[in-house]
Amino acid sequence: QQQVKQSPQSLIVQKGGISIINCAYENTAFDYFPWYQQFPGKGPALLIAIRPDVSEKKEGRFTISFNKSAKQFSLHIMDSQPGDSATYFCAAKGGDNFNKFYFGSGTKLNVKP
Amino acid sequence: DVKVTQSSRYLVKRTGEKVFLECVQDMDHENMFWYRQDPGLGLRLIYFSYDVKMKEKGDIPEGYSVSREKKERFSLILESASTNQTSMYLCASRVGTTGELFFGEGSRLTVL
Repeated sequence: QQQVKQSPQSLIVQKGGISIINCAYENTAFDYFPWYQQFPGKGPALLIAIRPDVSEKKEGRFTISFNKSAKQFSLHIMDSQPGDSATYFCAAKGGDNFNKFYFGSGTKLNVKP
Repeated sequence: DVKVTQSSRYLVKRTGEKVFLECVQDMDHENMFWYRQDPGLGLRLIYFSYDVKMKEKGDIPEGYSVSREKKERFSLILESASTNQTSMYLCASRVGTTGELFFGEGSRLTVL
């Protein structure tokens, strides 16, 4: 059973547009929700993260929106650029094991010039 | 700069062979992890270690074992490789209980 569900699987956005990736979770004990960005041939790297006591976090063009009651969180990429083309993973940590991260299935983003 | 190094980027092995995947981190992190990445399945945790000689099973440990003899090195072992272990393997490390995960660049294993 997947602990974190991510959608869509793939996304095509025009340059300058907004990219939105959604994730949902079930375990209310999760206490940390990061997003990772992975370029081809590279390992994932932390992009931005949020804790459940905050509803939104913004870093540059990247924003996480967090809805605790709905158990959902999303990544918004404003003014999407071709250099943002990558695979994005949401994740959640916590619960019965503070060391375990549960990852979503990934979204492959393609930003067209 | 933080560095997690996976020594083998691409490996091709035959069914039944013993496979070693090595990972070294230079950040003095206590925690190290092995994940498997497959399309549509995201990253799944195989094993992790929170200290030298300590290990815990992740979500998909079957067919794998690990070794951590030194703090900086965490090895993933496939005792008898099978074709369904063809995958991308990612090593990661993390400081304490609140730090972020730092990933290596991955080892792509093909088992024929």
